[in-house]
Amino acid sequence: SQTIHQWPATLVQPVGSPLSLECTVEGTSNPNLYWYRQAAGRGLQLLFYSVGIGQISSEVPQNLSASRPQDRQFILSSKKLLLSDSGFYLCAWSVQGSTGELFFGEGSRLTVL
Amino acid sequence: KNQVEQSPQSLIILEGKNCTLQCNYTVSPFSNLRWYKQDTGRGPVSLTIMTFSENTKSNGRYTATLDADTKQSSLHITASQLSDSASYICVVSARNYQLIWGAGTKLIIKP
Repeated sequence: SQTIHQWPATLVQPVGSPLSLECTVEGTSNPNLYWYRQAAGRGLQLLFYSVGIGQISSEVPQNLSASRPQDRQFILSSKKLLLSDSGFYLCAWSVQGSTGELFFGEGSRLTVL
Repeated sequence: KNQVEQSPQSLIILEGKNCTLQCNYTVSPFSNLRWYKQDTGRGPVSLTIMTFSENTKSNGRYTATLDADTKQSSLHITASQLSDSASYICVVSARNYQLIWGAGTKLIIKP
C-alpha cells in the first residue's frame, strides 16, 4: 500500500532563517506531488506541484521554492523565512493523469518568530 | 471566477444528532466534487467523490448529495459521534485538473 511521510511535524524558526520540509511517498511510482499551505479559516492554497523529476510548477509567487530530486521525494525550501510564512504545510500525492483523490501527509506546522 | 463556498463556517451539535453541511460552487467545466474530512493538525482524508451524473452517495453515516443544475452539494452526517469533530472540506475539480478548495466547515460534536 502507498504511504506518504512528511517531516518535521513541528518547526519554530526565526525570521531570516532557512527552511527545508521534506516529503516522501512509498508504494507508488511517478506520482503527482503537491505542496499546500493552510492558513487558519482559509482553504488550502496550492504552492507547488510536480508531474515528474525536476518538473516544478509554482502557483503563488513567494520566497519559497520546491524541488523534486527523486521520483518520490518532494522538498519545500526557503533561503530566508518571513513572518508571513507561518502556517500549516501539507504534502500530497495523486495518481498521474487523473482528477482523482489526493493523499495527504500529516502536515508540518511552521511558526516563524 | 471559479469558487467554492461552504456553510456554515462552524457548527456545534450534540452527540447523536444529525447535521448537514453545504457547498456551493461556480466551477466550469465541472469534473467532480469531493468531500474531505480533516482532523485538527492532520492532513485531509477523502470521504466521498461525486461525479456529474451522481445525485447521492453514502459512506457509512456520511451521505453526500449533488445537484449539478444548481451547483450545490451537501454532506449529511447521521447519528453524530465525538470522532466526527473535524473540519469538512469541499473540493471541486475542473476538467483541466484544477482543484478549487472551499474554506471548510468546522464541526464540533459535544457529549
